[in-house]
Amino acid sequence: GAVVSQHPSWVICKSGTSVKIECRSLDFQATTMFWYRQFPKQSLMLMATSNEGSKATYEQGVEKDKFLINHASLTLSTLTVTSAHPEDSSFYICSATPGSGSSDTQYFGPGTRLTVL
Amino acid sequence: DAKTTQPNSMESNEEEPVHLPCNHSTISGTDYIHWYRQLPSQGPEYVIHGLTSNVNNRMASLAIAEDRKSSTLILHRATLRDAAVYYCILLGNNFNKFYFGSGTKLNVKP
Repeated sequence: GAVVSQHPSWVICKSGTSVKIECRSLDFQATTMFWYRQFPKQSLMLMATSNEGSKATYEQGVEKDKFLINHASLTLSTLTVTSAHPEDSSFYICSATPGSGSSDTQYFGPGTRLTVL
Repeated sequence: DAKTTQPNSMESNEEEPVHLPCNHSTISGTDYIHWYRQLPSQGPEYVIHGLTSNVNNRMASLAIAEDRKSSTLILHRATLRDAAVYYCILLGNNFNKFYFGSGTKLNVKP
């Protein structure tokens, strides 16, 4: 089956620093990648949609200058949390899809747990 | 986006069938019904999806009501590894965006 990886799986950083999270589709080319955030005991919240070679589309209420997304190739998207603060501590999950239709499956990465001290 | 309604939690005994319901009364004709599950501290995992007809795969079955306003995910023999949060999601013409609801937390008792 299709595999999506994330790196790192967890990261601890100091307040004010930036953190980059990578999302890779290992065995397929992803037309679109998505980034989600999940707080403890809550559901996933879609943050942004990322298409290769174009600017990401952010959901309402998500700060694009704080959460920088770069989709450099059909197999790699990165999320950079800039000037991280404790309230940014969360579980960040990416997903990728090889197609663009409503019947296409999304494949999710294992998630990255960010802790900001 | 069409919304879905699921019970917050359900409980099942191991090796018994489980029926997880989902209501989606505002579904449109082109919306696909997708089911994913999430184990603790992991990313969601695809389970099954369908449009109008019932669907079967190695993991589960999906029964879709004739009016498509509800669907049921069926796990034929629950195992302890099936304990997870199950999400029912509608996907239509919105660039593949998934908006997750609160899902159903399934507890499987040995």
